[in-house]
Amino acid sequence: GAVVSQHPSRVICKSGTSVKIECRSLDFQATTMFWYRQFPKQSLMLMATSNEGSKATYEQGVEKDKFLINHASLTLSTLTVTSAHPEDSSFYICSARDDSNYGYTFGSGTRLTVV
Amino acid sequence: QKEVEQDPGPLSVPEGAIVSLNCTYSNSAFQYFMWYRQYSRKGPELLMYTYSSGNKEDGRFTAQVDKSSKYISLFIRDSQPSDSATYLCAMMRPNFGNEKLTFGTGTRLTIIP
Repeated sequence: GAVVSQHPSRVICKSGTSVKIECRSLDFQATTMFWYRQFPKQSLMLMATSNEGSKATYEQGVEKDKFLINHASLTLSTLTVTSAHPEDSSFYICSARDDSNYGYTFGSGTRLTVV
Repeated sequence: QKEVEQDPGPLSVPEGAIVSLNCTYSNSAFQYFMWYRQYSRKGPELLMYTYSSGNKEDGRFTAQVDKSSKYISLFIRDSQPSDSATYLCAMMRPNFGNEKLTFGTGTRLTIIP
């Protein structure tokens, strides 16, 4: 089946530093990928839609300068949390949509802790 | 009003029982309906995928869609402790350009041995 690899699975960083999270589709091409944020015991909140070769589309209320998205190839999208603060601590999950069948596959998530 | 409503639970049932999970929605444009299972600290995994109305069965899982009532269900037969997880319903309109999934809040399910 389709597999999406997300790294790192867990990261702890100091306040003010930047963190990059990778989302990679291993056996399919994904022109479109999605980045979600999930707080404890809550559902997934869509942050942005990432399209290969073009600018990401951010949801209302999401700071595009803080959450930088790059989708440079059909198999890789990255999310960089810039100048991270403790309130950015959360579980970040990516999803890739298979170009061949429009199926959505999720990564295993990244738990970010900013201290 | 949220587009998709789902009881967050928690829901606890004894092993072997039939579990019924439900979502209601308000947007009649939704045509694709999915159920995802999410274990703690993991990403969601697709369980069932249904187009339009009707039933779909896969092993111990049955998904039902009633578009006239804007109501979808997931049934789990012979529930096992390994079914303990959060179950998320998700829906999508038939526009594959940049279409997004709309999720319910998720129901936390615990199967008691």
